[in-house]
Amino acid sequence: DAGVTQSPTHLIKTRGQQVTLRCSPISGHKSVSWYQQVLGQGPQFIFQYYEKEERGRGNFPDRFSARQFPNYSSELNVNALLLGDSALYLCASSFRDSTDTQYFGPGTRLTVL
Amino acid sequence: AQTVTQSQPEMSVQEAETVTLSCTYDTSESNYYLFWYKQPPSRQMILVIRQEAYKQQNATENRFSVNFQKAAKSFSLKISDSQLGDTAMYFCAFMKHEGAQKLVFGQGTRLTINP
Repeated sequence: DAGVTQSPTHLIKTRGQQVTLRCSPISGHKSVSWYQQVLGQGPQFIFQYYEKEERGRGNFPDRFSARQFPNYSSELNVNALLLGDSALYLCASSFRDSTDTQYFGPGTRLTVL
Repeated sequence: AQTVTQSQPEMSVQEAETVTLSCTYDTSESNYYLFWYKQPPSRQMILVIRQEAYKQQNATENRFSVNFQKAAKSFSLKISDSQLGDTAMYFCAFMKHEGAQKLVFGQGTRLTINP
């Protein structure tokens, strides 16, 4: 079975622009979470969605938003990009909205110039 | 809030040796989960091992095992017979039993296996 997929692989934007990152979970998984990993640090939790509802939100500004579609795929949107938004954005999926293990995708590398 | 601390930024061992990575965490929760994830240069975060806090028995997965000390809030990872493919960043992570599926990660340990 295919794992978690993310697109695009790499992205370069300029300050003030908006970006949309996409994630497809493992088939059958209904929960998707997003993490931001700045170079040299561990990932930081941004959002969790389950059955199209937001179940958790990390300490990120309102410029960050997300949604989950009926097919359980998800998009992460970031508005008014700042240089500090440059990071690896990781998507993880799990079967249920519980303590199931999360499986990660390969990430999208966002560079803001 | 929960915190996870990995005190070894880098480690290096020879192939076939055994290496132990340290992790401590701080929480007031009584029921939670602990994980070790591996992130090779390819960037993909790969689950190595998972431990439920209510289980006293330490988890094992082939060459990987943990030493879970709940009272000390310590969760170390032992890699036996290390292989070149074990070279990666290793992250310790914590997740509460209740609430959002939020993993709290440590800063990571860069492990290099030398031939």
